[in-house]
Amino acid sequence: GAGVSQTPSNKVTEKGKYVELRCDPISGHTALYWYRQSLGQGPEFLIYFQGTGAADDSGLPNDRFFAVRPEGSVSTLKIQRTERGDSAVYLCASSLMGGADTEAFFGQGTRLTVV
Amino acid sequence: GQQVMQIPQYQHVQEGEDFTTYCNSSTTLSNIQWYKQRPGGHPVFLIQLVKSGEVKKQKRLTFQFGEAKKNSSLHITATQTTDVGTYFCAGPLMGSARQLTFGSGTQLTVLP
Repeated sequence: GAGVSQTPSNKVTEKGKYVELRCDPISGHTALYWYRQSLGQGPEFLIYFQGTGAADDSGLPNDRFFAVRPEGSVSTLKIQRTERGDSAVYLCASSLMGGADTEAFFGQGTRLTVV
Repeated sequence: GQQVMQIPQYQHVQEGEDFTTYCNSSTTLSNIQWYKQRPGGHPVFLIQLVKSGEVKKQKRLTFQFGEAKKNSSLHITATQTTDVGTYFCAGPLMGSARQLTFGSGTQLTVLP
């Protein structure tokens, strides 16, 4: 596609529910990142995929958060037992090669609200 | 832990005035990237600096990487209303070449 696509754009869920956020990266980009952005803050790193494998998941806040990228393209971020503190914009980014010296292309994000 | 700090947090300028945002890291960075995020939008890559003392220009924007590679600045000459947004610097976390640590950003408002 033309850019990184994220669905849904908005998600409202009740506390304790399970949610899945989807990211469709730019075709051909091997690296995929998930970030979380709270109001007035910069994006906070969650996880990085190179191909199908999670090369760095050190940013995941706890074991309620999990992400997959089974075929090396689309990725899903899964959050179990959501809490109000999980409310934020979840951003996905992809890059051609990966690494922190490569331009990252961000999607529009999914705004998650936990009520 | 390693931090990337940005100042100021907010800046209001009259259209036509200049604007500068500063980024400081607690450790030496191998490179630094700058992103712009429009209100309601997503971060968009502007530039990457790699060399000590490097200066790059994009039209009215001038980016500088410090000699010690621990600080950087973005200067906009003669701001326009299209410059409105939040400007973030980002650098690689020490010990990991894979993830960027973003600063908290400088939110620029340009008054017409």
